[in-house]
Amino acid sequence: DAGVTQSPTHLIKTRGQHVTLRCSPISGHKSVSWYQQVLGQGPQFIFQYYEKEERGRGNFPDRFSARQFPNYSSELNVNALLLGDSALYLCASSFPRGNYGYTFGSGTRLTVV
Amino acid sequence: RKEVEQDPGPFNVPEGATVAFNCTYSNSASQSFFWYRQDCRKEPKLLMSVYSSGNEDGRFTAQLNRASQYISLLIRDSKLSDSATYLCVVNGGSNFNKFYFGSGTKLNVKP
Repeated sequence: DAGVTQSPTHLIKTRGQHVTLRCSPISGHKSVSWYQQVLGQGPQFIFQYYEKEERGRGNFPDRFSARQFPNYSSELNVNALLLGDSALYLCASSFPRGNYGYTFGSGTRLTVV
Repeated sequence: RKEVEQDPGPFNVPEGATVAFNCTYSNSASQSFFWYRQDCRKEPKLLMSVYSSGNEDGRFTAQLNRASQYISLLIRDSKLSDSATYLCVVNGGSNFNKFYFGSGTKLNVKP
């Protein structure tokens, strides 16, 4: 079985641009969460989606948005990129309440220059 | 106050040593607790869940103290391959969809 897949794996953007990151959850998992991990820190929660609805949101500006599709895959969009948005963006899939923990994808490493 | 706080690292230990990591959390309504392991430049991987009664998986033992809002991870007979960053993870209480990660504790096991 495929795990959580994310694309692209690496990305370089310039300040002010927009980026879209994609995630496909493990088959059978209907919940997708997005995290941002800056070097030297733990992952920070951005969003959680279940059944195409936003179920949780972290302390990120409105430049960050996401959506979930009928096949449970998800996109994270970031507008007006700032240098500080440079990070590893992790997608995780789980059962709805996450009682059994998350499985993470290998992430998208975004560099903003 | 951060939602989850962990021991600062790095912990440098010889092979065969026993090492303990501690973690405190701020939300008394939190219900789910985990330890994750993260290798350099890789994604976090679930190491084990943490149950109220404590649980063991081979050389790894996790414990939860709800009264003190404290979680621990004990690694016995450390191997070189245990070298990684260990992340404590707690859910957000009533907002069970939100998980908070500690900043991680780096473990270096040396020959």
